Amino acid sequence: DIQMTQSPSTLSASVGDRVTITCRASQSISNWLAWYQQKPGKVPKLLIYEASSLESGVPSRFSGSGSGTEFTFTISSLQPEDFATYYCQQSHSYPATFGQGTRLEIK
Amino acid sequence: EVQLVESGGGLVQPGGSLTLSCAASGLIFSSHWMSWVRQAPGKGLEWVANIKPDGSDVYYGDSVKGRFTISRDNTKNSLYLQMNSLRAQDTAVYHCARIRYSDSIFDYWGQGTLVTVSS
Repeated sequence: DIQMTQSPSTLSASVGDRVTITCRASQSISNWLAWYQQKPGKVPKLLIYEASSLESGVPSRFSGSGSGTEFTFTISSLQPEDFATYYCQQSHSYPATFGQGTRLEIK
Repeated sequence: EVQLVESGGGLVQPGGSLTLSCAASGLIFSSHWMSWVRQAPGKGLEWVANIKPDGSDVYYGDSVKGRFTISRDNTKNSLYLQMNSLRAQDTAVYHCARIRYSDSIFDYWGQGTLVTVSS
């Protein structure tokens, strides 16, 4: 199975900050990577697919990059509604696997 | 608007069985791969199973293989998960999710149904 490792596990930041989350795959997954946002008590929301493609309706302050085994997810200017947990997920091969999550909290 | 509504969760003893259902609307159900994804309380996301649009192909996570069966009824726009030999570690909220194409990217999620395995 492909292991997905996110860092950091927790990130403290302020409104207006630029934040970056890293996701590493245990083997190459090309660009078959997605990012999800999950707020407490809510279902995950797809933000980015194929490493850098923005899902329809998702604000442009969210972006993703990378290929192979190293990926980054960036929020260019944090908004109050962005404080949540973020997960990466590889869809290169079965079983689909998720990172452990990065909790983005208010500093 | 795509809606996925799960049902069938509850409290079950270890070794018991349960069948979850997911009613889909607002999409051409028979055209989409579908999936079950679970989340243990306070934990991360774990993919459980996928099924092809016509039901001819299924895939399972290692932790449920041989115990869980995913199925669908396209005439009823419904997805199912038959769970047997349940263990305490199967305790989770089970989400039905639509797969974007055939790529295991989940673009719509149901609210989920809680399964608790405990004596």
